[in-house]
Amino acid sequence: EDKVVQSPLSLVVHEGDTVTLNCSYEVTNFRSLLWYKQEKKAPTFLFMLTSSGIEKKSGRLSSILDKKELFSILNITATQTGDSAIYLCAVYTSGTYKYIFGTGTRLKVLA
Amino acid sequence: NAGVTQTPKFRVLKTGQSMTLLCAQDMNHEYMYWYRQDPGMGLRLIHYSVGEGTTAKGEVPDGYNVSRLKKQNFLLGLESAAPSQTSVYFCASSPYQGLRYNEQFFGPGTRLTVL
Repeated sequence: EDKVVQSPLSLVVHEGDTVTLNCSYEVTNFRSLLWYKQEKKAPTFLFMLTSSGIEKKSGRLSSILDKKELFSILNITATQTGDSAIYLCAVYTSGTYKYIFGTGTRLKVLA
Repeated sequence: NAGVTQTPKFRVLKTGQSMTLLCAQDMNHEYMYWYRQDPGMGLRLIHYSVGEGTTAKGEVPDGYNVSRLKKQNFLLGLESAAPSQTSVYFCASSPYQGLRYNEQFFGPGTRLTVL
């Protein structure tokens, strides 16, 4: 059965800290891995990764995929209170049209 | 563009009542999805559609039905609501699943409480 596992489940840090969120997966026919940020409402798209070793960056956020070891990490440097959210990882597999989501990591950044 | 919209935003039902949640997208996307989100459970797929007139079951389809009569709309029905269906429901859409592009766009969610 396809599954996506995120760790840690929750995390509390102080402003300025650097955090690393983990996403591991076991799926057949991997196509892409997506990261979303969810604040109060709908998830918003952060990154899509399809190839190993290529880092995606957007400001203080970056992500990388390891297709051999079947995991991805999302790094957030110099965290701010506005980074407080649930971070969701999803894997899209070929032929199924479905996205498999992890349970999310709840990040709280304290001022 | 409004993107993905959901109606209603909130609803309270009594056990046994029925209702329909409407999802609409104006991006001409082929694929549409209904998820539910419960605390600590992430997003779980209820039903999805890969095109007008087609639907398929997801991970947790029991107690729900769907229809996609028009490409831009995807309806989720609860025929006889149960307290276990108390959740936040998200609709999402995505364009044709080409080799490079398969981002999902989410609606704002519907918070449903079944008493």
